[in-house]
Amino acid sequence: NAGVTQTPKFRVLKTGQSMTLLCAQDMNHEYMYWYRQDPGMGLRLIHYSVGEGTTAKGEVPDGYNVSRLKKQNFLLGLESAAPSQTSVYFCASSAYGREYGYTFGSGTRLTVV
Amino acid sequence: GENVEQHPSTLSVQEGDSAVIKCTYSDSASNYFPWYKQELGKRPQLIIDIRSNVGEKKDQRIAVTLNKTAKHFSLHITETQPEDSAVYFCAARDSGNTPLVFGKGTRLSVIA
Repeated sequence: NAGVTQTPKFRVLKTGQSMTLLCAQDMNHEYMYWYRQDPGMGLRLIHYSVGEGTTAKGEVPDGYNVSRLKKQNFLLGLESAAPSQTSVYFCASSAYGREYGYTFGSGTRLTVV
Repeated sequence: GENVEQHPSTLSVQEGDSAVIKCTYSDSASNYFPWYKQELGKRPQLIIDIRSNVGEKKDQRIAVTLNKTAKHFSLHITETQPEDSAVYFCAARDSGNTPLVFGKGTRLSVIA
């Protein structure tokens, strides 16, 4: 049982390049989330999904797009990377209902130069 | 929407002492309050949670208290050990389909 798996774990991009971060969960969770973590800023929500085929904006969605074509996968795309997007990205999933916590992936450290 | 404030941002304690981290929330409809521990370079992991129909919950050296009237909840760690050193995040959720809102975190250092 892998839980929540993120790929890649590390990546260096040049300004203007694009990339996709993949999150996969094997717990049959309905909800999935993408957060970014920067020093002193805590965990800020980028986008989330409450089910297959649905997505919604979080606190800091600009510059990112997402897709949830399959229940187990949640993709985060950067169309034109900027240095301000240098961060650690965490994916998380949770079961349906308000009283369930998150299971986080191990994170992706992204550097944009 | 929900807003969660967390204090202090950093906390240093001697090994064996207690540590207390406090969070306040804004939405009186919130009813689920988890705490996460994040060790250096690792993912956040759920360590304890409390629901709004409960005032206190304990798990060995960790306890969480909730005051719904004042809209605040606290994490208590007793007999701290060096392995308790980490960043701790509180969070709150105000409805079934909305994501958790996290505090900005508390860096706890336990000095041996």
